[in-house]
Amino acid sequence: SQKIEQNSEALNIQEGKTATLTCNYTNYSPAYLQWYRQDPGRGPVFLLLIRENEKEKRKERLKVTFDTTLKQSLFHITASQPADSATYLCALDRVGQNFVFGPGTRLSVLP
Amino acid sequence: EAQVTQNPRYLITVTGKKLTVTCSQNMNHEYMSWYRQDPGLGLRQIYYSMNVEVTDKGDVPEGYKVSRKEKRNFPLILESPSPNQTSLYFCASSSRLAGRGTDTQYFGPGTRLTVL
Repeated sequence: SQKIEQNSEALNIQEGKTATLTCNYTNYSPAYLQWYRQDPGRGPVFLLLIRENEKEKRKERLKVTFDTTLKQSLFHITASQPADSATYLCALDRVGQNFVFGPGTRLSVLP
Repeated sequence: EAQVTQNPRYLITVTGKKLTVTCSQNMNHEYMSWYRQDPGLGLRQIYYSMNVEVTDKGDVPEGYKVSRKEKRNFPLILESPSPNQTSLYFCASSSRLAGRGTDTQYFGPGTRLTVL
C-alpha cells in the first residue's frame, strides 16, 4: 500500500543546533516533493520544492535533499532558533493526480 | 496582496443541513484544492481542480461536492453533513509548473466546522 511517513511525531533540539527531519514514502513515484511549515490553527506555509532530478536545494538556513532511490527526503534547519518551532510537513506531488501530505513532525527548539 | 480567502472561518451546524464553504484566490492560479485536517490523521486531500470545469477526487471525497465554474472560486459543498465531517478545512491554490506538477501551494486560513 502507499504510505508517507515522517521520522518522528516530535523532535526537541537545542537552539543553535541543526534540526534534521525525515520524510519516507513507499509505492509513490512523485515528480516533486515539497516541505511546508504549519503553526497551530493556521494553514501550512510553503518552504521549499525539490524536483525528482535534483539532489539538493537550499534557501537561507534551510536545506532539502531528495533521494528517489531510497524514496526519502531530508529537511535540515541549520542554526535553529526558537522561532523555528512548528510542525513541518512533507508533501508529494503526484503529477496529474492528487497531493499527499505526511503526518508532520512537531519541532521544538529549546533556548 | 496575494491570498486565498475562505468563508466562514467557524461554523457550527446540525446533521443533515446543507452547507457551503467558499474559497477564493486572487492569484489567477489554475490549481485549487480542498483538504481536511484531523488530529492523528494529518492533512488529507478531499478534491482538487486542475482548471475551470475540471475536478478530481482526492483521498477522502465521500460526502463532499465541489465545482469550478470560475478560475478564482472553488466552493466545497456538504449536502448532508454528518458528525464525522467535523474537522478543520483548508483551501489551497497553486500555479502549474511548466510541463508537470504544481508550484507553491498557498493555503487559506482554514474553516473550523463542527457538525452536531
